[in-house]
Amino acid sequence: DAGVIQSPRHEVTEMGQEVTLRCKPISGHNSLFWYRQTMMRGLELLIYFNNNVPIDDSGMPEDRFSAKMPNASFSTLKIQPSEPRDSAVYFCASSLARGEKLFFGSGTQLSVL
Amino acid sequence: DQQVKQNSPSLSVQEGRISILNCDYTNSMFDYFLWYKKYPAEGPTFLISISSIKDKNEDGRFTVFLNKSAKHLSLHIVPSQPGDSAVYFCAASWEYGNKLVFGAGTILRVKS
Repeated sequence: DAGVIQSPRHEVTEMGQEVTLRCKPISGHNSLFWYRQTMMRGLELLIYFNNNVPIDDSGMPEDRFSAKMPNASFSTLKIQPSEPRDSAVYFCASSLARGEKLFFGSGTQLSVL
Repeated sequence: DQQVKQNSPSLSVQEGRISILNCDYTNSMFDYFLWYKKYPAEGPTFLISISSIKDKNEDGRFTVFLNKSAKHLSLHIVPSQPGDSAVYFCAASWEYGNKLVFGAGTILRVKS
């Protein structure tokens, strides 16, 4: 079975540019999560969806960040405009249902110059 | 305000010995705790979990202990193997389904 698929694996962009990260959850999973990993703060939850509906976006740092889940098999995390402090590894994860263990993708390493 | 804290950024252990990774939490509402392991360039993978109604859960070489009064949990790996070298994240949630809160992680190095 394919796991959670994220693209791109690496993204290098310049400050001010728009960045879009993509995620395909495991088929049949109803919950999807976006996390950001930094050295200082570890893994931070940005937003999570249940049945394609955003449930909690309190972790989204600023209005520059937005996330969508147009259908059960696809989600995007967009940063516009990007800033150097957004540089981090962004993980997408999915679970069968709320409360079930998470399955993570391999992450997107974002570098904003 | 970190609700889940892993105060040891790194730990080095000799192969065959016990590895003990610690985690403290502040939110008394947490009722479900998990450990995830992460290798470089990969996403975290689930390792072991424990609910607040238990104080111990064992799976092979891995055992998680929960001390609710101290708001502390620990992961024991016995015996440690070089392949256990990874970053270990402690995580917690409440109300069975609320968001999972992670600690900052502990880098474990098992020396052969």
